[in-house]
Amino acid sequence: QSALTQPRSVSGSPGQSVTISCTGTSSDVGGYNRVSWYQQHPGRVPKLMIFDVIKRPSGVPDRFAGSKSGNTASLTISGLQAEDEADYYCCSHAGNFYVFGTGTMVTVL
Amino acid sequence: VQLVQSGAEVTKPGASVTVSCKASGYTFSDYFIHWVRQAPGQGLQWMAMFNPTRDYTDYAQEFQGRLTLTSDTSTSTLYMELNSLRSEDTAIYYCARERSYDHWFGPWGQGTLVTVSS
Repeated sequence: QSALTQPRSVSGSPGQSVTISCTGTSSDVGGYNRVSWYQQHPGRVPKLMIFDVIKRPSGVPDRFAGSKSGNTASLTISGLQAEDEADYYCCSHAGNFYVFGTGTMVTVL
Repeated sequence: VQLVQSGAEVTKPGASVTVSCKASGYTFSDYFIHWVRQAPGQGLQWMAMFNPTRDYTDYAQEFQGRLTLTSDTSTSTLYMELNSLRSEDTAIYYCARERSYDHWFGPWGQGTLVTVSS
């Protein structure tokens, strides 16, 4: 049950786009369309941003988009804004358990 | 909809700790409850899931034998007991709700800091 692999950090200027990858295996990311993404600001509770690979909960801006190819899921943030600066975690269903990614810090330059 | 967790705990290596998670605003049996922890400065780690309808629990392999989830349906409260604590168990422990088989978590409890120190 190894953690999914994410880049430690990504950065972009306001208005730019950034993409965070989340690499697993055929037993988790590749085997299920059940990848979710969570945003966590320092000292705050994680917030659901994407579920079922591509779906956005109500209230999440359409600047956030999810995708998946093979064993790698991705979260793209378009039109980067200052409030997007946070840690982001992917999570995948993997049978009888779940596995989170290692986490990515997004910095808005 | 709200998940309210018990307060911070300070405990010693080798001891046990119990954290509670009280659910309100929805039908308790319609949703699973997951436990996720986050060590200081570290990422999120899934620990276990409780299905109140079937009284069934799945545990992450790392915690099997050391972690026990129980519930009190009369008060819509979940309890997480972690035994044989070590310093590496120092973390914020979160409970989070999943609508049955939706495979995503929300809302989350506010978190409970457990500190293991001699």
